[in-house]
Amino acid sequence: GENVEQHPSTLSVQEGDSAVIKCTYSDSASNYFPWYKQELGKRPQLIIDIRSNVGEKKDQRIAVTLNKTAKHFSLHITETQPEDSAVYFCAASMGGGSQGNLIFGKGTKLSVKP
Amino acid sequence: NAGVTQTPKFQVLKTGQSMTLQCAQDMNHNSMYWYRQDPGMGLRLIYYSASEGTTDKGEVPNGYNVSRLNKREFSLRLESAAPSQTSVYFCASRAWGTDTQYFGPGTRLTVL
Repeated sequence: GENVEQHPSTLSVQEGDSAVIKCTYSDSASNYFPWYKQELGKRPQLIIDIRSNVGEKKDQRIAVTLNKTAKHFSLHITETQPEDSAVYFCAASMGGGSQGNLIFGKGTKLSVKP
Repeated sequence: NAGVTQTPKFQVLKTGQSMTLQCAQDMNHNSMYWYRQDPGMGLRLIYYSASEGTTDKGEVPNGYNVSRLNKREFSLRLESAAPSQTSVYFCASRAWGTDTQYFGPGTRLTVL
C-alpha cells in the first residue's frame, strides 16, 4: 500500500523567512496530494492541494510543487508570520471516486519566531 | 451548515468499558471516515464508509467497529476499551467525485 514520508518533523524559522516541508510517496498510482494545517487543539484544515497533472500550484504565500518522476511533493510558505505556526500534514491518495482514502505523513511542527 | 460534527468532545473511560463516538455531516457527502491521531504518528485511518450501507477497514481497525446509520451519520464503537486506544479521534467526510475531506472537531479519549 501507499506510504508517505514527511520531513522535517520540526521546523523553526524567523518571521519573514521561507519554510519548506517535503514529502515522498511510494505508490505511483497516487494522483491527489493535499496539505492540511492543524492548529493546537483544532481540526485539520485543507490549505492547498495538487493533482498529478499539475507541477505547481500557488495561493498567495503558499505553494506546492510536485515531481511525479521522483515521487515527491513539497509545501513552500513565503514571508512566514507567527500565525503560520502549526502542524502541517501532507497526504496522498488515488483520488475521487468511491474511495479516495488519504494516507498521511506524520506531520511537521512549524514554529515561526517573531 | 454545521459541516461535520462529533460528540462527545472529551471522554474518560476505564479499561474494559465500552462507548460509541458519534459523527454527523450535513453536506450530503457520500463517503465518511474515522481517523485516530497520536503524537508523532499523523492521522491513521481506522474505518471508512464509501457510501451508505458499506463499511471497510482502514489501516488500524483492530478493537473498533463502525456503523453507517444513514447517509448523515457514521459511528465508531469501542467494545472493550484499552489504554492503547487513548487518542484523539477525527471523523471526516467527502463528496463523491471530489477529493477534499472535511474534518470534524475531534473527540479526545482517555482510557485509564
